[in-house]
Amino acid sequence: AQKITQTQPGMFVQEKEAVTLDCTYDTSDPSYGLFWYKQPSSGEMIFLIYQGSYDQQNATEGRYSLNFQKARKSANLVISASQLGDSAMYFCAMREGLNQGAQKLVFGQGTRLTINP
Amino acid sequence: DAGITQSPRYKITETGRQVTLMCHQTWSHSYMFWYRQDLGHGLRLIYYSAAADITDKGEVPDGYVVSRSKTENFPLTLESATRSQTSVYFCASSASGLAKNIQYFGAGTRLSVL
Repeated sequence: AQKITQTQPGMFVQEKEAVTLDCTYDTSDPSYGLFWYKQPSSGEMIFLIYQGSYDQQNATEGRYSLNFQKARKSANLVISASQLGDSAMYFCAMREGLNQGAQKLVFGQGTRLTINP
Repeated sequence: DAGITQSPRYKITETGRQVTLMCHQTWSHSYMFWYRQDLGHGLRLIYYSAAADITDKGEVPDGYVVSRSKTENFPLTLESATRSQTSVYFCASSASGLAKNIQYFGAGTRLSVL
């Protein structure tokens, strides 16, 4: 079974609009972390935001926020006021077993976001 | 601040040849990882290492060998390259001890096996 599911292969959004990228996950471990990475056309992987399973508040980093709904096992990335430079591939990832010090990440298949001027 | 560097950036080889991809990090991170990225699969973990001389298999280890004699280096070897190993390979590293350990990635190596 897929641990991380990103159901939107591609999204097209007008510049300055907000965009939500979906991510659902599957785990029975109570201690886990969720990550979002951005991969622009140049290919590098850029860390954006992190949410821990025990965090009480949704994570925010500048224009990025994470809509964490634990009961629904979803961790959607919200980008406010999108910019042309936001056009990229976005990956959701999960690390289980935080209490045991586990470090492995499992990635979703990604969503390609295109911002139109 | 060199960070994490991969070499070569691009490599073309032939089926059956041995290929080694290099990864070097300057942060003294305990953990290092190798992923491959293929269309439709996202990134999949090949091998990882928790410290020098400690390595373990990931999701797709077959056909690959790793070693870690020094903390800063984590080479990945394809002992006999196959066409199915054509992919983009990413090395990553992270510190230990924190739940919010971020994995930092190298720029990737694009490998083509003909």
